[in-house]
Amino acid sequence: SAVISQKPSRDICQRGTSLTIQCQVDSQVTMMFWYRQQPGQSLTLIATANQGSEATYESGFVIDKFPISRPNLTFSTLTVSNMSPEDSSIYLCSVVFGRTGYEQYFGPGTRLTVT
Amino acid sequence: SQELEQSPQSLIVQEGKNLTINCTSSKTLYGLYWYKQKYGEGLIFLMMLQKGGEEKSHEKITAKLDEKKQQSSLHITASQPSHAGIYLCGAEMRNTGNQFYFGTGTSLTVIP
Repeated sequence: SAVISQKPSRDICQRGTSLTIQCQVDSQVTMMFWYRQQPGQSLTLIATANQGSEATYESGFVIDKFPISRPNLTFSTLTVSNMSPEDSSIYLCSVVFGRTGYEQYFGPGTRLTVT
Repeated sequence: SQELEQSPQSLIVQEGKNLTINCTSSKTLYGLYWYKQKYGEGLIFLMMLQKGGEEKSHEKITAKLDEKKQQSSLHITASQPSHAGIYLCGAEMRNTGNQFYFGTGTSLTVIP
């Protein structure tokens, strides 16, 4: 299994500012994902962040708005830039881990409120 | 539109009762995952199903994937308060790249 921590656990930010969310894993993992869960909606994949390559963004998400860093196999950051109230959400990082490569584990999430 | 339909949205059962949660897709599922989330905790992986007709069990929780690989059910036998939480199905679908979809979740309350 993998133990994942996220910082901050929650934050309240003003419109127009940026917030960087950190994700730390206790094991080396190749595949790391960033998700967003908006109120009343299902989890949505933002991007895949594999170490050593540029993050791959899903439709509707762009690097200028959600820049991602993946400096090593245990750490990643997601920045939410130029925030608006529509960015209020829970952001989760996730890793795929395990012998089969199919076990997916999630961090506790970062609850972001933009005022 | 929602790629994965989950039902029911919420469930309140008496301790000891059995219950079933369903997850349905209009597309063929490459892999179907069941997760549980307790308040304040990250999603916990329960089990993953890949083959049509596959069934897996973990303690009192059984998950099945139908032969067509478009529907999965999660069945809890003799529910306990420790089973309370949000149950979420997630899936990879054919011909969608590496996009991962989640259902809307089912909130389970078990009354002692």
